[in-house]
Amino acid sequence: DVKVTQSSRYLVKRTGEKVFLECVQDMDHENMFWYRQDPGLGLRLIYFSYDVKMKEKGDIPEGYSVSREKKERFSLILESASTNQTSMYLCASSSWTGGLYEQYFGPGTRLTVT
Amino acid sequence: GDSVTQMEGPVTLSEEAFLTINCTYTATGYPSLFWYVQYPGEGLQLLLKATKADDKGSNKGFEATYRKETTSFHLEKGSVQVSDSAVYFCALSEGAQKLVFGQGTRLTINP
Repeated sequence: DVKVTQSSRYLVKRTGEKVFLECVQDMDHENMFWYRQDPGLGLRLIYFSYDVKMKEKGDIPEGYSVSREKKERFSLILESASTNQTSMYLCASSSWTGGLYEQYFGPGTRLTVT
Repeated sequence: GDSVTQMEGPVTLSEEAFLTINCTYTATGYPSLFWYVQYPGEGLQLLLKATKADDKGSNKGFEATYRKETTSFHLEKGSVQVSDSAVYFCALSEGAQKLVFGQGTRLTINP
């Protein structure tokens, strides 16, 4: 089975702190994604990466950056956390399977910024 | 751009009731369509998928049919159980790696 793991399930940080969220997948997938999930808004794509050292902005990249130095690891960075970044963050990975890209999700990190 | 619209939640049903969660989409091409489920405290799991018009995806008693003429992919189950309580997301992908999600529908099943 594909496994996507995230470094923390719950995280509490202070405004202005630099925050790192880590994601690791064990299936050699080329694509990795970071989403944030907010009630009533569904999942919104922050950044994605289709290869090592490659990244593309998603729909809401402002205030975030990413790093992909190894194929299995994709990090989301909040350079200076703000209270409006309090949210659930979900990581996913995908590859081409059976004629489409199927995404596999990690358990999520619930981040609270105070 | 592409978009997905789901019926507003929350939805509350009694056990063994029939379930429908509506999903419609807007896309310029011919997307693949998905339903994901998120159980409490967990990430999203793929529930079912369909890649072309008239395809029916099915899993765990849930079904959805890709209707190109109505741009819809409604989720149905004939008899729901308490264990089906979760948040359900409809999503589309147009061959690219990215998914576009609906806002999610929270389903609660009472015994």
